[in-house]
Amino acid sequence: DAGVIQSPRHEVTEMGQEVTLRCKPISGHDYLFWYRQTMMRGLELLIYFNNNVPIDDSGMPEDRFSAKMPNASFSTLKIQPSEPRDSAVYFCASSTGGEQYFGPGTRLTVT
Amino acid sequence: AQSVAQPEDQVNVAEGNPLTVKCTYSVSGNPYLFWYVQYPNRGLQFLLKYITGDNLVKGSYGFEAEFNKSQTSFHLKKPSALVSDSALYFCAVRDGDYKLSFGAGTTVTVRA
Repeated sequence: DAGVIQSPRHEVTEMGQEVTLRCKPISGHDYLFWYRQTMMRGLELLIYFNNNVPIDDSGMPEDRFSAKMPNASFSTLKIQPSEPRDSAVYFCASSTGGEQYFGPGTRLTVT
Repeated sequence: AQSVAQPEDQVNVAEGNPLTVKCTYSVSGNPYLFWYVQYPNRGLQFLLKYITGDNLVKGSYGFEAEFNKSQTSFHLKKPSALVSDSALYFCAVRDGDYKLSFGAGTTVTVRA
C-alpha cells in the first residue's frame, strides 16, 4: 500500500492567496483527519470525516479554512485568504477507527 | 475529556543504554493509548497501541510500552537505544469518537 498521499509537499504563497492542500487516504479507511503542526501549538486536530461526512470541525481556526471530502479517496483543505500565521505543516491521516496513519505532510509558508 | 501528558521535553541517552519516554493519561472509562514517532520532515509513524489485555505491549523497531493502571501511565521503552532512534515521540489517547489527543512530544537524542 502506498500509504496516505499528500500534495503538494511544499507550498509557498503570498498573503491573501488561496491555498488548497490535497490528501488521498489509505484505501479502505473510513476516517480521515486533518492536523496542523507548529512549534508554538504542537499538533492540532482541525477536522475529521467519517465515511466522507464531516464529524467534528471544532478545530478549524476560522471561516478562512474549509475542508471537503467528495469521495472516499480524496479530501481537500482550503485556506482562503491565507495569512502568515497559517504557516505550518499540515498533515492528513486516515484510519479504520483505531490507530491513525499519517501522510508526509505539506509544509505551507505564507509570506 | 481525555488527555495525555509527557512530562519530559527532552530525553538524552547513550547508544546501547535503555530508553524510557514517559506518558501519563487522564480518561473516563477504558483508555485506548498510542505511541507515535516523528523523524525530521516526516509524518508521524505509528509504533504501538494499548487497547486491552497484556500490560506490556510490543511494537515496531524494538519498542515496547508498559500500561500501568494504578499509576495512569503508559511509558515507552527500548532496552538498547540506537542513534537512529533519535526523533520526536508522541503519546496519544483516543476519545470515544475516534479522535486522538496528543501529548506535546518528547525529543529523544541518542548519542553515539
